[in-house]
Amino acid sequence: NAGVTQTPKFQVLKTGQSMTLQCAQDMNHEYMSWYRQDPGMGLRLIHYSVGAGITDQGEVPNGYNVSRSTTEDFPLRLLSAAPSQTSVYFCASRSPGTGNGYTFGSGTRLTVV
Amino acid sequence: SQQGEEDPQALSIQEGENATMNCSYKTSINNLQWYRQNSGRGLVHLILIRSNEREKHSGRLRVTLDTSKKSSSLLITASRAADTASYFCATGRYNNNDMRFGAGTRLTVKP
Repeated sequence: NAGVTQTPKFQVLKTGQSMTLQCAQDMNHEYMSWYRQDPGMGLRLIHYSVGAGITDQGEVPNGYNVSRSTTEDFPLRLLSAAPSQTSVYFCASRSPGTGNGYTFGSGTRLTVV
Repeated sequence: SQQGEEDPQALSIQEGENATMNCSYKTSINNLQWYRQNSGRGLVHLILIRSNEREKHSGRLRVTLDTSKKSSSLLITASRAADTASYFCATGRYNNNDMRFGAGTRLTVKP
């Protein structure tokens, strides 16, 4: 199994540009989440989904959109990139139930100039 | 705001020593999880403890949970240089749909 795959691994954007960070998992996990990690801040939840067609906001959703049309894919869209969105983005997935931890992707390092 | 707060922020020990990291949280939880992150990599799930459990073991890891104090600790026994990483606690509320992470403890194990 590939687990959770994130693409691209690195990206540089200019302020105002839009882009989509891709996340795919092959474990048939219903739950998927997007986090951003900034130095000294830990991970902050952006958006999450408990199944296809269902999404919800996390702690820091502004400037980001998500959709969940399939169980496997959970793309994160930056509508108009800002320097404050420079960060490392992680996608994670897990099975339902309170006894399951998240499987994380290897991350996308995004720089907005 | 973050749900979990780890303490200390950084910890440096010699190989063979035990490492203890603490996590405090603010609201009621369903479970608490610990993750490890090696530099430049994604997080790896280590262990989960439910709110009705007080202690759990997995290999060299021992986790305790005190819900009355809203705190947890992670003990790594007989540490190795390969244990050098950042360790994060994460708390799950309700049905664990919404996991919140702390800022982490950076552990350095010197050979």
